[in-house]
Amino acid sequence: DQQVKQNSPSLSVQEGRISILNCDYTNSMFDYFLWYKKYPAEGPTFLISISSIKDKNEDGRFTVFLNKSAKHLSLHIVPSQPGDSAVYFCAAGRGAGGTSYGKLTFGQGTILTVHP
Amino acid sequence: EAGVTQSPTHLIKTRGQQVTLRCSPISGHTSVYWYQQALGLGLQFLLWYDEGEERNRGNFPPRFSGRQFPNYSSELNVNALELEDSALYLCASSYPRAFFGQGTRLTVV
Repeated sequence: DQQVKQNSPSLSVQEGRISILNCDYTNSMFDYFLWYKKYPAEGPTFLISISSIKDKNEDGRFTVFLNKSAKHLSLHIVPSQPGDSAVYFCAAGRGAGGTSYGKLTFGQGTILTVHP
Repeated sequence: EAGVTQSPTHLIKTRGQQVTLRCSPISGHTSVYWYQQALGLGLQFLLWYDEGEERNRGNFPPRFSGRQFPNYSSELNVNALELEDSALYLCASSYPRAFFGQGTRLTVV
């Protein structure tokens, strides 16, 4: 049972354009969502997060949108740069209480390639 | 300030052997979270240790175990290694915003 899904294994974008990465989840008890970026042979690096009480969070070129009714979140990168080329993972977690506390559930990842 | 550190970076083991991976969390952090990333898959939660106690466990067999020491560093032990245990093992501190180490690449042959 995959509770967090990234249905696009890869995305190719031209430098300067917008990159949109998507993520769907099934567990309505998740109340915190995160995006991570990962280069080969390195650990994931935190990019941006959003709590379930918000629908948008911005940090520089990165914006995360959360649609709770659709159980969908997306990461927008504007403008995209070649250095953004990496694997992007979305993750979800729950607050205190319950058996899922302390556990992040990750999607399978989307490989983003930004062409110069 | 040092981030999360893991050792070793790479490891090759034979099927049936046992392996120990090590992790030190960020200074001041008391929790350690272990994840497995098998080839082509997302990260799978393994274990969470806090203040020396196991707090939560993912859907992995009992041959995956660990412990946390008084200085908050942690070990992940995998017994009776199987080929499908070949993966990148990642350690993190803090939740929900997890800070990850660089990982240990385990290859089982």
